[in-house]
Amino acid sequence: QSALTQPASVSGSPGQSITISCTGTSSDVGAYNYVSWYRQHPGKAPKLMIYGVNNRPSGVSNRFSGSKSGNTASLTISGLQAEDEGDYYCFSYTSTMTLWVFGGGTKLTVL
Amino acid sequence: DVQVVESGGGVVRPGGSLRLSCAASGFTFDDYGMTWVRQAPGKGLEWVASINWNGGSTGYADSAKGRFTISRDNTKNSLYLQMNSLRAEDTAFYHCARGGGCSSASCLYYLDYWGQGTLVTVSS
Repeated sequence: QSALTQPASVSGSPGQSITISCTGTSSDVGAYNYVSWYRQHPGKAPKLMIYGVNNRPSGVSNRFSGSKSGNTASLTISGLQAEDEGDYYCFSYTSTMTLWVFGGGTKLTVL
Repeated sequence: DVQVVESGGGVVRPGGSLRLSCAASGFTFDDYGMTWVRQAPGKGLEWVASINWNGGSTGYADSAKGRFTISRDNTKNSLYLQMNSLRAEDTAFYHCARGGGCSSASCLYYLDYWGQGTLVTVSS
């Protein structure tokens, strides 16, 4: 199965906002509101940041928000902080023979 | 606190088998589907397999179909991944995560708690 498409890297300065896109198809991102986002720091387990396209788990900063338009979901981080650095992955349910698919990951660098 | 802890990784020769375990605590295990996700060194996350609350429904990535089997024992609060016919490309950290499946009442369409992972190395 093909992974969802994410940019390999994005960067921003402290205080700025960035957006990471996640492009799928009408069988996954476009079909369901089951897109979630994860941040992973080196050597650590991934952490859930957004679920159901635009819902934040308890304890996740409101600087993180999600949205979706057509086959593309997006994660926006406002007021960038150094701790936001890491790898970000989107994840979606899919109606294909498999059930779930990840994006290829995006490395966020805070300049 | 919710915890999931993987074990069972190690070095295995190509064509060999390995069984991974995931011990869950801090929540009612049979209220949740569970998932295995792997990450090859320096690479991205890859979904491997998911199972619903009672083991009656499972799903596999193409790379795992026919070789891997996900199962669970709700009496032991444990999730398993039996891996057969292992290949070099199966070398990865294998993470256990809560979610990605359904209970008898609802479905969790995301992975909210993850373990640190256990490393599987397939090498001759």
